[in-house]
Amino acid sequence: GIQVEQSPPDLILQEGANSTLRCNFSDSVNNLQWFHQNPWGQLINLFYIPSGTKQNGRLSATTVATERYSLLYISSSQTTDSGVYFCAAGAGGYQKVTFGTGTKLQVIP
Amino acid sequence: DVKVTQSSRYLVKRTGEKVFLECVQDMDHENMFWYRQDPGLGLRLIYFSYDVKMKEKGDIPEGYSVSREKKERFSLILESASTNQTSMYLCASSLVERPISYNEQFFGPGTRLTVL
Repeated sequence: GIQVEQSPPDLILQEGANSTLRCNFSDSVNNLQWFHQNPWGQLINLFYIPSGTKQNGRLSATTVATERYSLLYISSSQTTDSGVYFCAAGAGGYQKVTFGTGTKLQVIP
Repeated sequence: DVKVTQSSRYLVKRTGEKVFLECVQDMDHENMFWYRQDPGLGLRLIYFSYDVKMKEKGDIPEGYSVSREKKERFSLILESASTNQTSMYLCASSLVERPISYNEQFFGPGTRLTVL
């Protein structure tokens, strides 16, 4: 199956700073999602982005499918951005995905 | 908006008990999934279902079974709970688009299960 690697595993930012989170995947995909897991454990959908670029407010994501990676950009970070960010990638039938182990982000005031 | 609900946020059970975790989605999604999440391991797929009464094993099905009698409901069953099944359990659902072009999964709030 597809292997998914995320980097960095941990990140500490000062409020207002920008950051880039990376997701590498081992094979072609037809499903690539970014999630934010809040402190209560809820996974919140950020982007569905198997290719191309999308933006939503201070967050944007780019997937370069031919080079097998995706990037999540967080600009002007806020303390509410803290949590764990997961990337999940999949290919083939039944829409199964494999999750990376996440990037734990802490934004300090 | 898609809504996925899980029967309990927190659950404490004893070793050997039979445990049922329930998941309900309200968007007529064909696919439903059960994951467990453990520190440092991300989310791992236990079972998934692509239709009523249909099920497929995920990456870590041992010790678990599932049931899908109605389209909106997907149950995870621990036949005899063990301490190594203490974990966060997350349910998800997704719509089947043909051709496959939109496969977004939506998650419930999770159930933190502790097996003593």
